[in-house]
Amino acid sequence: AQSVTQLDSQVPVFEEAPVELRCNYSSSVSVYLFWYVQYPNQGLQLLLKYLSGSTLVKGINGFEAEFNKSQTSFHLRKPSVHISDTAEYFCAVSEGTGGFKTIFGAGTRLFVKA
Amino acid sequence: NAGVTQTPKFQVLKTGQSMTLQCAQDMNHEYMSWYRQDPGMGLRLIHYSVGAGITDQGEVPNGYNVSRSTTEDFPLRLLSAAPSQTSVYFCASSRGTSGQETQYFGPGTRLLVL
Repeated sequence: AQSVTQLDSQVPVFEEAPVELRCNYSSSVSVYLFWYVQYPNQGLQLLLKYLSGSTLVKGINGFEAEFNKSQTSFHLRKPSVHISDTAEYFCAVSEGTGGFKTIFGAGTRLFVKA
Repeated sequence: NAGVTQTPKFQVLKTGQSMTLQCAQDMNHEYMSWYRQDPGMGLRLIHYSVGAGITDQGEVPNGYNVSRSTTEDFPLRLLSAAPSQTSVYFCASSRGTSGQETQYFGPGTRLLVL
């Protein structure tokens, strides 16, 4: 069965500093990996996803993530964060076709301080 | 396009009451799903549908019913509400039924069961 672990529940960081949000997954088959962001009182929206090919994936708002199959990780990074990046970030994994189930991690709350 | 819409935004129920959470999408998406979001637990899949007339259970289906009579609508029914169902509920849709698809989320329904 697939599972997702987000290693940090909260990450405080100063504005313009780099940030990494960590995600590890487990699955017995090939997977698709996603990062979603949730701003306060809103639904989730896609930041980026890995389906196949290049292991470095670039997303919106300057975020990128690297798929590491040997370490079963999909960490999210941004070289310089802004106050507006304050939000909750969810790593997710799905597999299969014909009716997929996406499993979400518990979320990491990123708090950017001035 | 309105995207994914959910009603109501907020609801307070007494234990044992029933209600239906509405979800609609205007993107002609095949796949629709319901999640609940609880602190520290991320999003957990309740039920999903791969097309009109086809539904299946997710991780936490007990206490919830769904139906999909049209492509656009995917209501979630609570037959006899319990305090454990206090949560934020999100509906999501995606174009296809493969695990590669991006999910589009509604704004959520906050439910309090007393």
